[in-house]
Amino acid sequence: EDQVTQSPEALRLQEGESSSLNCSYTVSGLRGLFWYRQDPGKGPEFLFTLYSAGEEKEKERLKATLTKKESFLHITAPKPEDSATYLCAVQPNDYKLSFGAGTTVTVRA
Amino acid sequence: GAVVSQHPSWVICKSGTSVKIECRSLDFQATTMFWYRQFPKQSLMLMATSNEGSKATYEQGVEKDKFLINHASLTLSTLTVTSAHPEDSSFYICSAGPSGSHTQYFGPGTRLTVL
Repeated sequence: EDQVTQSPEALRLQEGESSSLNCSYTVSGLRGLFWYRQDPGKGPEFLFTLYSAGEEKEKERLKATLTKKESFLHITAPKPEDSATYLCAVQPNDYKLSFGAGTTVTVRA
Repeated sequence: GAVVSQHPSWVICKSGTSVKIECRSLDFQATTMFWYRQFPKQSLMLMATSNEGSKATYEQGVEKDKFLINHASLTLSTLTVTSAHPEDSSFYICSAGPSGSHTQYFGPGTRLTVL
């Protein structure tokens, strides 16, 4: 059975204080690993897709990396608008997504 | 990027009534769409896969007679919650992706409250 574990559950940062979120996974045949951002009361917003170990992708202050067993989402010099819940999901061969519980990030000015 | 819309964004209904939620892909066609529900402070739980022109496939534990799914066209899937009860109150979200893409794009969600 596919499993996705995200840590930490919550992260409180001072503006400008860089940090990393972890997503550990076990899946039979990884088609892709996805990162989404979700604001309260809204649907998830797509951030990145990673397909193979060693792959990295960047978008503004966010950088996602992938190994064979885990993925990291690095937030560099975060701003208050980066406050959100970040969701990691794995996609095996049947196109369904299995989500982790998420990491809620709060960035204080 | 690909845009997915949902309607309505929120709905309040009485216990025993049925509620229909629409999910549309606005700028691409989708042969497959997915329906999720999310409880407060929890992650998304896949309910069912909606297939254009054929029956939906439901995840284990999801009542197919209670959550009716119709994928009438390549841009529209509907979820009908039949005989809704307070325990059906939740945030329902759909997703879809362009053909040939692995990425799923999510709608804004529908907040259902059953009184």
